[in-house]
Amino acid sequence: GIQVEQSPPDLILQEGANSTLRCNFSDSVNNLQWFHQNPWGQLINLFYIPSGTKQNGRLSATTVATERYSLLYISSSQTTDSGVYFCAVPSGNTGKLIFGQGTTLQVKP
Amino acid sequence: SQTIHQWPATLVQPVGSPLSLECTVEGTSNPNLYWYRQAAGRGLQLLFYSIGIDQISSEVPQNLSASRPQDRQFILSSKKLLLSDSGFYLCAWTWGTGVPGYTFGSGTRLTVV
Repeated sequence: GIQVEQSPPDLILQEGANSTLRCNFSDSVNNLQWFHQNPWGQLINLFYIPSGTKQNGRLSATTVATERYSLLYISSSQTTDSGVYFCAVPSGNTGKLIFGQGTTLQVKP
Repeated sequence: SQTIHQWPATLVQPVGSPLSLECTVEGTSNPNLYWYRQAAGRGLQLLFYSIGIDQISSEVPQNLSASRPQDRQFILSSKKLLLSDSGFYLCAWTWGTGVPGYTFGSGTRLTVV
């Protein structure tokens, strides 16, 4: 089955810094999603991004489907950005997702 | 608007006891429903998915089962819990593949003692 790898596994930033998270996938996909899991466990859908670039405030994401990777940019990081960031790609046609192992981000004040 | 409810939030159960976790979606009909488990705060593993009533697929053979008694209700069960069943269980829904809007419930933290 399709493999999803995320890097780096852990990231510590000072508040105000920028960061780039990467997601590689092993096979062609027709969409990719980024999620943020806050320290209380809630998973929030950040982006649905099959290709191209999308921006939402300080966050933006780019997917290059032909090269099988996606990037999540966080600019001017805040302590509330802390948590785990997951990327996920679909498997089959039932909507089930294959998740990467996540990047744990800690933003220090 | 659509909302998803999952309960209970936390659960401590002895080994060998039964389990029932419930997930309900409001504001839509015929959603695709999913149960995921997360261990050690990393990586979500798909356990079951359902694209309609009486259509439930299992991804991983294990000590759990799922049922969908109503269109917008998804239940995760076990007859006898094992220590290895401990983890964070998340329910999710979507309209289907290829569309945005994958939404997760708030999760149930299960500890088997």
